[in-house]
Amino acid sequence: GAVVSQHPSWVICKSGTSVKIECRSLDFQATTMFWYRQFPKQSLMLMATSNEGSKATYEQGVEKDKFLINHASLTLSTLTVTSAHPEDSSFYICSARRAAPSYNSPLHFGNGTRLTVT
Amino acid sequence: GDSVTQMEGPVTLSEEAFLTINCTYTATGYPSLFWYVQYPGEGLQLLLKATKADDKGSNKGFEATYRKETTSFHLEKGSVQVSDSAVYFCALTSQGGSEKLVFGKGTKLTVNP
Repeated sequence: GAVVSQHPSWVICKSGTSVKIECRSLDFQATTMFWYRQFPKQSLMLMATSNEGSKATYEQGVEKDKFLINHASLTLSTLTVTSAHPEDSSFYICSARRAAPSYNSPLHFGNGTRLTVT
Repeated sequence: GDSVTQMEGPVTLSEEAFLTINCTYTATGYPSLFWYVQYPGEGLQLLLKATKADDKGSNKGFEATYRKETTSFHLEKGSVQVSDSAVYFCALTSQGGSEKLVFGKGTKLTVNP
């Protein structure tokens, strides 16, 4: 089955530093990847849609300059949390959809990254 | 906007018990409805889905029926197993095939032997 690898699975960083999270589709090409954020006991909230070779589309209220998304290839998207602060501590999850057939293909999720900012 | 409300957990059951996890939604038009499952240490996986009213999605003994009149998509299983212990998420995509999934908060299920 389709596998999405997310790395790292957990990270602790100091306030003010930047953290990069990688999302890779291991056995399929993904033109579209999605980044979600989940607070404790809350829903997964879509942060942005990442399209290969173009700028990401951010959801309302998500700071583009703080959460930098790069989708440089059909198998890799990265989320960089810049100048992290404790309020950025959360669980970040990526998902990917096959390049073809795309529109009705199921989403495949990574295992998530637990970010703790001290 | 669109939203999903599912019953708060955690839910703890004994093996072979009957399971119901309630899910209701608010959306314009006719959304597609999904149940995702997240087993410990793993990513979310699609469990089942239904794309139109009265459709029944089923998989691994779980089933859910798309009820437009009550805007519900309750998850049921007649006899749970320890291996069903996981977090279950109800979700929808808006009419028109939007790729954006709107999730409920998730319900943690623990099944004891």
